Amino acid sequence: EVQLLESGGGLVQPGGSLRLSCAASGFTFSSYAMSWVRQAPGKGLEWVSAISISGGSTYFADSAKGRFTISRDNSKNTLYLQMNSLRAEDTAVYYCAKFKDTAIVHYFDYWGQGTLVTVSS
Amino acid sequence: QSVLSQPPSVSAAPGQRVTISCSGSSSNIGNNYVSWYQQLPGTAPKLLIYDNNKRPSGIPDRFSGSKSGTSATLGITGLQTGDEADYYCGAWDTSLSAWVFGGGTKVTVL
Repeated sequence: EVQLLESGGGLVQPGGSLRLSCAASGFTFSSYAMSWVRQAPGKGLEWVSAISISGGSTYFADSAKGRFTISRDNSKNTLYLQMNSLRAEDTAVYYCAKFKDTAIVHYFDYWGQGTLVTVSS
Repeated sequence: QSVLSQPPSVSAAPGQRVTISCSGSSSNIGNNYVSWYQQLPGTAPKLLIYDNNKRPSGIPDRFSGSKSGTSATLGITGLQTGDEADYYCGAWDTSLSAWVFGGGTKVTVL
């Protein structure tokens, strides 16, 4: 059974940093592209970032470029999102999502339960 | 403002049919596959339709998808109270090199 378990969320002050983790199990993690998608309170889904199977290619939404870094450790079956210079508008539930194969142009076939990030003073 | 446009809400009585439209452009829906996601209240999104019109295992055939040009449609027949949820369309945007989602449509069973 595919499982994606996010962690690392919490309350952080504006301008602060946070690192999210997504522990994957139930599939060969190194064979799938991965992504982060967020959802602000009461709002819709917003794609944040994606990473190739090797980690050599990364993609970011304009809202995340220059502030967020996505990475993966295939030996630990874990996906990460390093978030710096956080703003109030980054407040959201952050979901880890698995692509159906190696290509990031395809769909998300599994989603984690999410971790809440709150940016506030 | 979402790149893909969906109606904010649709509603119908139990047993009826609803359709949800998703409008985009040639850089996303027009040249890439569309997928749909169902988000029940308080839960994570779940894949409902992929590759425009395919259903994952376990998704009932009451749910269907179609695509024409730069628009896609999700259909739900035999509406049930358990179908009350938010529904999102999504696609890769080649010009933006980014995934884009619709703003979401809330389905209400009257």
